[in-house]
Amino acid sequence: AQSVTQLDSHVSVSEGTPVLLRCNYSSSYSPSLFWYVQHPNKGLQLLLKYTSAATLVKGINGFEAEFKKSETSFHLTKPSAHMSDAAEYFCVRNRDDKIIFGKGTRLHILP
Amino acid sequence: DTEVTQTPKHLVMGMTNKKSLKCEQHMGHRAMYWYKQKAKKPPELMFVYSYEKLSINESVPSRFSPECPNSSLLNLHLHALQPEDSALYLCASSIQTSGSSHEQFFGPGTRLTVL
Repeated sequence: AQSVTQLDSHVSVSEGTPVLLRCNYSSSYSPSLFWYVQHPNKGLQLLLKYTSAATLVKGINGFEAEFKKSETSFHLTKPSAHMSDAAEYFCVRNRDDKIIFGKGTRLHILP
Repeated sequence: DTEVTQTPKHLVMGMTNKKSLKCEQHMGHRAMYWYKQKAKKPPELMFVYSYEKLSINESVPSRFSPECPNSSLLNLHLHALQPEDSALYLCASSIQTSGSSHEQFFGPGTRLTVL
């Protein structure tokens, strides 16, 4: 089965410290992978996407992700967290007509 | 214009009411989607329209009726809903459905409460 697993349901970091949100995928095909962010009661915003070009993908707001085929991972990182980063983050894979969402990771930023 | 708009932002309706949710995009996208999102859960796909034709219906109850009048508009007609249908309804669009590299652009959602 093709799936996306977000390894942490909640992550808490202090403001100014690095962020790591983990995502693993399972597939026999090279997937297209995305990270979306959702602030409370808002729609989803695309942070970045991987589509088999560069394995290190840079996104908006200082986020980046590295596609590692050997580890079937696509972890999201940011060097320095900001209070405005507090939100829900979804790792998503896309194949044809359907996209598959991970269960989400809630990022908490501590002052 | 890289925006998906949805109206209304909030909707409260009784179980016997008929209402509609509206979604609009002017990015020239030919695929449009409806999602339902419950609290603390990821969005669940309901319907997919490709070139104004319904291509996917994820076994959604008939009390939800989608409509795509043209390539820019997507409606979701609601009738005889249940309280468990209360959720955030998200609309999204993408360039097309085929080709897995195309990201979806999401609207802000309609918060629906069924009394």
